[in-house]
Formats: sequence, C-alpha cells, structure tokens
Amino acid sequence: GAVVSQHPSWVICKSGTSVKIECRSLDFQATTMFWYRQFPKQSLMLMATSNEGSKATYEQGVEKDKFLINHASLTLSTLTVTSAHPEDSSFYICSAQEFTSTDTQYFGPGTRLTVL
Amino acid sequence: EDQVTQSPEALRLQEGESSSLNCSYTVSGLRGLFWYRQDPGKGPEFLFTLYSAGEEKEKERLKATLTKKESFLHITAPKPEDSATYLCAVLGWDYGQNFVFGPGTRLSVLP
Repeated sequence: GAVVSQHPSWVICKSGTSVKIECRSLDFQATTMFWYRQFPKQSLMLMATSNEGSKATYEQGVEKDKFLINHASLTLSTLTVTSAHPEDSSFYICSAQEFTSTDTQYFGPGTRLTVL
Repeated sequence: EDQVTQSPEALRLQEGESSSLNCSYTVSGLRGLFWYRQDPGKGPEFLFTLYSAGEEKEKERLKATLTKKESFLHITAPKPEDSATYLCAVLGWDYGQNFVFGPGTRLSVLP
C-alpha cells in the first residue's frame, strides 16, 4: 500500500522549454501533495505544498510563475517547470499524504531533470 | 525555529556490526518523527513514524526509538543491502503540514 509514482523518471530538455512532471498516488487518495528538490548529497528542500482543489503554497524563494503546480484530483499533482534553464537541473521528488492521523508522507521515485 | 540534526554524517560498518544512528531535534511541539531510507537516485522510502517519548518500532534489522530530544535508529547485524542514506524528519504542531528534514546519515555496510 501507499505507493506514489512519478513520470517521467528522467527528462532532458533544451533551455527555454517547459517540462511537466506528474505525481500520482496509486492506491490512496492524497489530500495533500508536496514537491521537493534535492541537490547532490544534500537533503530534501521543500518547494511547495498543494491541497486538492486549492492553489499551491510556495516556500520562500521559490518562484510560483516558474514552478507551476496543479493538484486537480485526489490522486494527481503536476509540476511544470516553465522556461527551464540549466540551473533548474535537479532531482525533483513528490510526496503524498493521505488524510489520516499518521501525517506520514509517501514519496515518489523522483524525476531527474537535465536542462541543456 | 525547528531544527533537526543527524549524526554521524557518514558511517561505515562491517557486515554484522550493529550500530545506531542519531537524530536530534528541537521543536516547539512534536507532532511526529519520521525515518526514511533513501537509495541513490531514488525517492525516500518510508520506515517508521514515532509520536511520543518512549515509543519504539521495529522492522527487520531496524529499530527506532524516541525520547523528548532525540531519536535513534538501531541497526542490528546489518547487511550490505542496508547501505543507504537514512533521513530523519520532524513535524511540529506549529509548522503546518511541513516536515523539517535532517541532513541524513550515509551508511555503508561492507561485506
């Protein structure tokens, strides 16, 4: 149980293009989803929190117009990196939280983005 | 401000050599403490959630314990497949839904 998938697992794009990453909870309904970014040998950095049907809440320093987050259903959230640049290259990981008393976040496998 | 530290930063063990990883935290009110395992190039895998001091949870060779200031992840007779980065995260009552992650401990178990 509590499986989260991400697609694609890796993507290479040209500078200036946009990339969409999907995050799905496969066997539970996720009232809240989180998007993280991770640099090599560093811990996870929270980018934004999204609740189904609501606008995402972005962490300080994260550009909401660059990182568009949509949480249209209880099993799907998407992160779109708009006008990507090489400095956006990173490992992006989503997590999903079921509305229970455990507060546990279940993580997806991550998406490696490389911007040329 | 909520803070989470982990020690050691890296740990190398021989197969079968038991040890413990530490996660120290400061939070105004602990709502939960979470342990994850992360393999290179993959997302974190959930291990345990602990809620109150004195609580213990076990899974195979791993045992997590919690006090009011820290948590330990005990690894008994580790195997090479236990090699990974172990992350600790804290959720406080005053921090909304957001985890505060520690920097992680990189564990290497040598055959």
